[in-house]
Amino acid sequence: SQKIEQNSEALNIQEGKTATLTCNYTNYSPAYLQWYRQDPGRGPVFLLLIRENEKEKRKERLKVTFDTTLKQSLFHITASQPADSATYLCALYTDKLIFGTGTRLQVFP
Amino acid sequence: DTAVSQTPKYLVTQMGNDKSIKCEQNLGHDTMYWYKQDSKKFLKIMFSYNNKELIINETVPNRFSPKSPDKAHLNLHINSLELGDSAVYFCASSQGGGRVHEQYFGPGTRLTVT
Repeated sequence: SQKIEQNSEALNIQEGKTATLTCNYTNYSPAYLQWYRQDPGRGPVFLLLIRENEKEKRKERLKVTFDTTLKQSLFHITASQPADSATYLCALYTDKLIFGTGTRLQVFP
Repeated sequence: DTAVSQTPKYLVTQMGNDKSIKCEQNLGHDTMYWYKQDSKKFLKIMFSYNNKELIINETVPNRFSPKSPDKAHLNLHINSLELGDSAVYFCASSQGGGRVHEQYFGPGTRLTVT
């Protein structure tokens, strides 16, 4: 069956460290993968998009990798801050966006 | 200034009632969507419209009927509401044109069916 799994439901890290979130998928062949941030009571906000032929994409403190052989994307936030605390969603694009279950990141001072 | 807006923000109603949620985007996008986020925070697409034409219709009960009067609006009407319809409903939009673009989400409508 088709599945998208994001590593842990929750991830706690100390301010200043690098947060690494994992998105694994099975039985999909996505052309694109996107990452979104969702704060409580709000809609998801787009962060990054990576295509199947791209290995890595960066934007400021964010970096995303996409390994179609491993069927995995890694999302990194370097020099994390308490303001980065939110739920992060990966989403595969086939003919529509299919969202993962999300990882709740908590960055503590 | 709001890019994607939804009304109402909260909707509490009884089983069996009919209700509507409205969505408007001022981004000039061609494609609009409805998503449902359940109590476990799982976000799932329900419908997608491109230039007022339905292009995605997931396995959603036909009690749910989207309507797009123009490409800036996509409303969701729900008939005979059931307890299991309780969720947060998000509207979203994106550019069309055959390439994949990021989606812009509204603030959500929390529907509670009692």
